[in-house]
Amino acid sequence: GENVEQHPSTLSVQEGDSAVIKCTYSDSASNYFPWYKQELGKGPQLIIDIRSNVGEKKDQRIAVTLNKTAKHFSLHITETQPEDSAVYFCAASYSGGGADGLTFGKGTHLIIQP
Amino acid sequence: EPEVTQTPSHQVTQMGQEVILRCVPISNHLYFYWYRQILGQKVEFLVSFYNNEISEKSEIFDDQFSVERPDGSNFTLKIRSTKLEDSAMYFCASKGTANYGYTFGSGTRLTVV
Repeated sequence: GENVEQHPSTLSVQEGDSAVIKCTYSDSASNYFPWYKQELGKGPQLIIDIRSNVGEKKDQRIAVTLNKTAKHFSLHITETQPEDSAVYFCAASYSGGGADGLTFGKGTHLIIQP
Repeated sequence: EPEVTQTPSHQVTQMGQEVILRCVPISNHLYFYWYRQILGQKVEFLVSFYNNEISEKSEIFDDQFSVERPDGSNFTLKIRSTKLEDSAMYFCASKGTANYGYTFGSGTRLTVV
């Protein structure tokens, strides 16, 4: 089955700086890669996703890049703000039949220092 | 914005008891899921459900677990005889079509004592 590795486990950056979180996956059949933000006591919230037919996607301060050959994808947050502090999870799945289960990474605790 | 609603938010149960966790997915969604998250660990897939049947399940989803969509709105997860290691946050999620992302609920914290 799929295995997703995520690094780092904790990331502390100064407010206004950029943050990068990296994930690798093992199953070359995976074609859907979402990123979730989880705040304390809440469920994961989708912040951005990318499919294997594109290499990069951007939404305001958030971008995701995908390297299919190397089987890794990354989340980039620019101009970080205090409200970006949360746990971020990457995930991967094969989105073919529709009822696909996501395999999550272990999460990155992002801390924005004021 | 449409939400996935889960009840209760917190449930405490004695070991060996049956529990039912309830979810109301987004109304026009077709795919339904249960995930769990043990405290401080990653979110783990349990089961997916489509067209009134289980589509996929993980090795965690053994004979003690079952899911049901008893009517047009609810989606439930039953654990027949709870164990201490079932203590976790359980998240329900739903998806509209094959190409859409998931929407997760806020979770039910299950504590088995």
